[in-house]
Amino acid sequence: QVQLVQSGAEVKKPGASVKVSCKASGYTFTNYYMHWVRQAPGQGLEWMGIINPSDGSTNYAQKFQGRVTMTRDTSTSTVYMEVNSLRSEDTAVYYCARRGTSGYCIYWGQGTLVTVSS
Amino acid sequence: DIQMTQSPSTLSTSVGDRVTITCRASQSISSWLAWYQQKPGKAPKVLIYKASTLEGGVPSRFSGSASGTEFTLTISSLQPDDFATYYCQQYAEYPYTFGQGTKLEIK
Repeated sequence: QVQLVQSGAEVKKPGASVKVSCKASGYTFTNYYMHWVRQAPGQGLEWMGIINPSDGSTNYAQKFQGRVTMTRDTSTSTVYMEVNSLRSEDTAVYYCARRGTSGYCIYWGQGTLVTVSS
Repeated sequence: DIQMTQSPSTLSTSVGDRVTITCRASQSISSWLAWYQQKPGKAPKVLIYKASTLEGGVPSRFSGSASGTEFTLTISSLQPDDFATYYCQQYAEYPYTFGQGTKLEIK
């Protein structure tokens, strides 16, 4: 069965960086794009971007351009999402989600809480 | 970016009610729309994709429809397990934007 297992919760200071991992299993890693979605406390879902694990190509929401980097490691079937220059507004649960037969998110990781606080 | 306007933001309902949630896209997205259910502390779960296709394992009381740029999620007879927050998402073009969410509350 498809599983996406994310790294554990992080606490960071403003201005720092955080790198969240998402390890995939149960399917051919390079066959399906991976989304990243975040959710601030008590707020809605926000799409951040997407990576093609086959060639590493990415597409980021304009809001995150220049501050977010998505990468992958095909040897371990893991995608990564790094956010730089963290600010308090980046406090959120970050989810990876595998693309379905078309662009929607069919399988989700358990989420990683990133807290940005001085 | 395509804006997704979802309504209502909150709905007070009762078990057995027929519930309708609407999502309007700011431009044409064809049928590239998904609906998700999210419960507190959990990841979202896809219910419907391509506007009206039920994801495997989702109860048939959930249905989706489309008319132009207006999309509807209907729950035919609300069950206790359905009290949650629902989101629409367009995946016609990047960035894949979500609606603001609709929270179903117990009346």
